[in-house]
This record gives sequence, C-alpha cells and structure tokens, in this order.
Amino acid sequence: DAGITQSPRHKVTETGTPVTLRCHQTENHRYMYWYRQDPGHGLRLIHYSYGVKDTDKGEVSDGYSVSRSKTEDFLLTLESATSSQTSVYFCAISDRTSSNQPQHFGDGTRLSIL
Amino acid sequence: ELKVEQNPLFLSMQEGKNYTIYCNYSTTSDRLYWYRQDPGKSLESLFVLLSNGAVKQEGRLMASLDTKARLSTLHITAAVHDLSATYFCAVATYPGSQGNLIFGKGTKLSVKP
Repeated sequence: DAGITQSPRHKVTETGTPVTLRCHQTENHRYMYWYRQDPGHGLRLIHYSYGVKDTDKGEVSDGYSVSRSKTEDFLLTLESATSSQTSVYFCAISDRTSSNQPQHFGDGTRLSIL
Repeated sequence: ELKVEQNPLFLSMQEGKNYTIYCNYSTTSDRLYWYRQDPGKSLESLFVLLSNGAVKQEGRLMASLDTKARLSTLHITAAVHDLSATYFCAVATYPGSQGNLIFGKGTKLSVKP
C-alpha cells in the first residue's frame, strides 16, 4: 500500500471556523492532490501540487487553500468552513514520470460542519 | 471541458451473471483508470488503460478502451458477492503525463445470491 496518511480521520466543527487537513506521504512522489467526495458527484479535484511550493486549482477550489512546504506534506485549509463543505476529503499521490501509474489514495477524512 | 459519464449508476446483479459498466468521455484522452471503492473505504486502483484497444483482466473483471469511440467498458463475468462495491472510471484531462483526472460519478454494484 502506498504510504499516505491523512489526519484527522474524522472532524466535526462549526460554521465559520478554520479547518486544516493534512496529507503526509512517505513515497517521495512529486504530485499530490486533494479531492472531495459527495453523493452523486463522484470525486472532484480541489487543488493539486506538482512540487514544493507549486500548487494549482482544480475543479472546485473556491473556499479552499493549500500549501506544500515539503515534499511529504500537503495541507488543505478551509479558512471559514461552511456547511456546503461537509464532505469526505481524499488525498492522493502520483509519480507522473510514468503514465501507467495510477493515483494512490489515502483513507479519507470525514468532515462535518454544523 | 472534459466530461465523464458512467452508466448505469446503480446495478443490482445476481451471482453468476455477467454485466458491463460503461464509461463515456467527451474529449480526447490517452489514459483511463478504473477504481474500486468499498463503503467507507479508500479507492483501490484496478486497471490503467493507455492505448486504443487496450484490454486488461484481473479475475472476474475485464476492462477495455476504445479511444476513437471515447468509451471504456468494465465487464463482470460470473459475478460473486465480493465484487459488490462502487466502481469509478477516471479520465486524464489531456494527452500526456501531466493531465489531471476527471472522475465519473461511480457505479454502485450490488451482487445478490
């Protein structure tokens, strides 16, 4: 299994509070991704990173920011959480030097915003 | 803009039967992936399809890719209960290794005795 750890695994918080989710990898992969998964929507890309300090927006980036200060860590921040951001968040990593390698996913963070 | 459609979204099968899940996508791409997700779990990679006519098989599952028709299929042979899960296809947004993935909404498969 790819070495990906997401923390926390579960979180309940209130509207308007800041929330940070962490993704830690031990594979030294260059690319890291944050997705959200909602019923009826599959997985949608929030932000991704293609190297330290190199990030870009995905399909549903509004209300989220990310940071990557070292290869192994990719942080997702909700500056002021809203109920619409209640979701399951998955981190993924990939080594895109070879196109036949899939993205590998972490175990997810279940986030509830009340 | 790349769109990915899977059908059916829900599939209830009897054990021993065969069925096919379809994944259509709207623009040119050279990579397609199939994933499996069990309830409350992470996504597990099943197949990577890289070229027109590619076919991959693992146990009772076989995936194929037709890039000209922009279609991939996941065929289930003689279904068993252990195959019950949600299956996602994901398509790279543009040719080459730098494209990100767009996921279909998933097909929830339930195999009943």
